[in-house]
Amino acid sequence: AQKVTQAQTEISVVEKEDVTLDCVYETRDTTYYLFWYKQPPSGELVFLIRRNSFDEQNEISGRYSWNFQKSTSSFNFTITASQVVDSAVYFCALSEYGGSQGNLIFGKGTKLSVKP
Amino acid sequence: DADVTQTPRNRITKTGKRIMLECSQTKGHDRMYWYRQDPGLGLQLIYYSFDVKDINKGEISDGYSVSRQAQAKFSLSLESAIPNQTALYFCATSDHRGPNTGELFFGEGSRLTVL
Repeated sequence: AQKVTQAQTEISVVEKEDVTLDCVYETRDTTYYLFWYKQPPSGELVFLIRRNSFDEQNEISGRYSWNFQKSTSSFNFTITASQVVDSAVYFCALSEYGGSQGNLIFGKGTKLSVKP
Repeated sequence: DADVTQTPRNRITKTGKRIMLECSQTKGHDRMYWYRQDPGLGLQLIYYSFDVKDINKGEISDGYSVSRQAQAKFSLSLESAIPNQTALYFCATSDHRGPNTGELFFGEGSRLTVL
């Protein structure tokens, strides 16, 4: 069965520290998509990244980077030089069947607090 | 204007009342979803619809019903609200074709409190 595990419930760091949010997934499908969403205190869900199962290249976007490793079924998210505005709940999610099902399976989220 | 609009954004009601949460989208997507978010539990799928004539139960559909009135509208109903349905509800859309396959586009959420 498909499953997404975010083992870290809460993380607290001091501004400018680097922080990595872990995500481990389970799926029987060979074609799937992985996602990260950010939910700031205001409550909306903000899309951060989509990665398909055939593309294991790491991705960097400004202070954000993602490490996808199929061998360990992990899709970890690193924030470099964290800022207070990064404080949010971060969700990792999985879409099976190459996205044809559409609905995402979400992890329970990691609450990140960045203190000044 | 938001591409996915939910109304109401906040609602307080009493046990036993009927509540409807509405969702409309201007993205032209064929697929629509209702998710529920509880603290520490992430998002759980309530119902989803792949087109106007297609309705499917998600993992926590008990106590809820939906209606897909048109491609752009998908409403969620609680026939007789109970306190443990207090949560943040999200509507979402997706397009199974094109470059954004698999990605969900979320509304801003509807916070429901059942007293």
